[in-house]
Amino acid sequence: GAVVSQHPSRVICKSGTSVKIECRSLDFQATTMFWYRQFPKQSLMLMATSNEGSKATYEQGVEKDKFLINHASLTLSTLTVTSAHPEDSSFYICSAREGSYEKLFFGSGTQLSVL
Amino acid sequence: GENVEQHPSTLSVQEGDSAVIKCTYSDSASNYFPWYKQELGKRPQLIIDIRSNVGEKKDQRIAVTLNKTAKHFSLHITETQPEDSAVYFCAASIRGGSYIPTFGRGTSLIVHP
Repeated sequence: GAVVSQHPSRVICKSGTSVKIECRSLDFQATTMFWYRQFPKQSLMLMATSNEGSKATYEQGVEKDKFLINHASLTLSTLTVTSAHPEDSSFYICSAREGSYEKLFFGSGTQLSVL
Repeated sequence: GENVEQHPSTLSVQEGDSAVIKCTYSDSASNYFPWYKQELGKRPQLIIDIRSNVGEKKDQRIAVTLNKTAKHFSLHITETQPEDSAVYFCAASIRGGSYIPTFGRGTSLIVHP
């Protein structure tokens, strides 16, 4: 099956710093990528949808200036958490799909801890 | 937009028993319904999916049923094993185009040996 690689798997940073998370599709062209946030024992909360070469579409309540998403190529999307604060600590997961194919393939997630 | 309700939130069964997780959706235009299994700290993985043109699909011990009229679909796991313990998410979406899946809140399945 299709593989989505996400790095880093875990990051600990100081409050006020920025953190970049990468999501790569290894064997298919990810025309659309989704970024989710997941709190312990809760569902996947969609943060934004990004299409290659276009600006990301953010869900209501998600600050686009804080969570910068770039999808400059068909195999790479990045999420940058700017000026991170402890309340940004969470599990972030990306997913990707190719064209209008409905199946989603998920990255392995990034556990962000902001001290 | 679409709203997906999932029940129960927690399900505890003995090894060998069956487990059933149910989801309802609100948008009658939804026509693709995947189920994902997520082990602790891992990525969600697609375990089975069903499209609106069929009522049931089976893959070994896992089956999914869909009732379009009632707008609900269910995951059935037979002969459960401890390794089935995980969180299961249902989702609903419209195939093609801007397809954005809506996820249920998840069911934590615990299979006791």
